[in-house]
Amino acid sequence: IAGITQAPTSQILAAGRRMTLRCTQDMRHNAMYWYRQDLGLGLRLIHYSNTAGTTGKGEVPDGYSVSRANTDDFPLTLASAVPSQTSVYFCASSEKAGGPPDTQYFGPGTRLTVL
Amino acid sequence: GQNIDQPTEMTATEGAIVQINCTYQTSGFNGLFWYQQHAGEAPTFLSYNVLDGLEEKGRFSSFLSRSKGYSYLLLKELQMKDSASYLCAVRDSNYQLIWGAGTKLIIKP
Repeated sequence: IAGITQAPTSQILAAGRRMTLRCTQDMRHNAMYWYRQDLGLGLRLIHYSNTAGTTGKGEVPDGYSVSRANTDDFPLTLASAVPSQTSVYFCASSEKAGGPPDTQYFGPGTRLTVL
Repeated sequence: GQNIDQPTEMTATEGAIVQINCTYQTSGFNGLFWYQQHAGEAPTFLSYNVLDGLEEKGRFSSFLSRSKGYSYLLLKELQMKDSASYLCAVRDSNYQLIWGAGTKLIIKP
């Protein structure tokens, strides 16, 4: 079934540990995105990639890094986790073929708790 | 700064009609999206508006007024499964989506 998968589904992590959240899409979409969603706040963009080999910073990039070695995968790494990174993380993708609406489609999310 | 405002929570009755408003102030405008998000799940796309007016899609309609920085999502013939959060998002001049905090819609029988 075409779509976006994320792993793990949930994780409890000790502060200071390194963690990589995985995201894979099989829709051959050019663009991919990482968001965090916190209670009472809108989705906030962490990093994005408009095409394989390129990445960009979003609204809240500090403490996170990404890579885009190929079209399908877009991992998000927390180098040294802190409790304020406790959140639900969503990966999304869009075709980015140049025309509107360039709708974003979301993965199921990863619930991360940093203690 | 950029800002998207939506009511935090609304309650409606099964079978009725509800209108969820969204006002925005963003640096540029390149379209407005509505998404539905059930508790514990991912957001799913509902509608897209880039020109003024009403877009109808089954029981759901979305309206846009660019001059007023205003949109609404209209849900008709409400069903219990419509209980969810509804997210408004605007694409700004950098082609990034700016998201509202969402409106939690509670449907009562």
